Amino acid sequence: NAGVTQTPKFQVLKTGQSMTLQCAQDMNHNSMYWYRQDPGMGLRLIYYSASEGTTDKGEVPNGYNVSRLNKREFSLRLESAAPSQTSVYFCATRYNEQFFGPGTRLTVL
Amino acid sequence: KNQVEQSPQSLIILEGKNCTLQCNYTVSPFSNLRWYKQDTGRGPVSLTIMTFSENTKSNGRYTATLDADTKQSSLHITASQLSDSASYICVVSAVDTGRRALTFGSGTRLQVQP
Repeated sequence: NAGVTQTPKFQVLKTGQSMTLQCAQDMNHNSMYWYRQDPGMGLRLIYYSASEGTTDKGEVPNGYNVSRLNKREFSLRLESAAPSQTSVYFCATRYNEQFFGPGTRLTVL
Repeated sequence: KNQVEQSPQSLIILEGKNCTLQCNYTVSPFSNLRWYKQDTGRGPVSLTIMTFSENTKSNGRYTATLDADTKQSSLHITASQLSDSASYICVVSAVDTGRRALTFGSGTRLQVQP
């Protein structure tokens, strides 16, 4: 079992470009999450999906959109990247505890 | 506002020594507290989870304590190893089934030197 996988692992964008971060899980969990992690700060919730077909905003949703394509996949889209979105992005599932993916390190120039 | 404060921010110890990391929280109503280990370049991995009624839980050389009255937790690492070098994150869950239930600390970065 791969657990939670994320692609890509690294990405560099120019301001204004768009991209989609992919997340997939084989744990059969209903809940999936997107977080960002910045130096000196705790993980902050961007978006959440309680189940297939549902999504909800977290603490810092501005500038992002999400799609819960099916039970396995939950993608995060940046429509027009900004330098403030330079961060490490983690996807996670939850069943009693959270299980995190390996992260995507995104730099926006 | 729910908050989780961790101390110290960073710590350097010699291999074989013990250390204790601290976590203070103001999350209410409290549900449980977790400690995660995050290796550089990887996602956090759960070490322990403690509910209101538990005051000590061990996982190998890791021992977590919880004082729900003072809203403090500690993570004690015994006989440290080089592989313990990582960030340790305290996460507190409120009694809320929604997505806003988790509050993350900013972590303690531990470096174990030979």
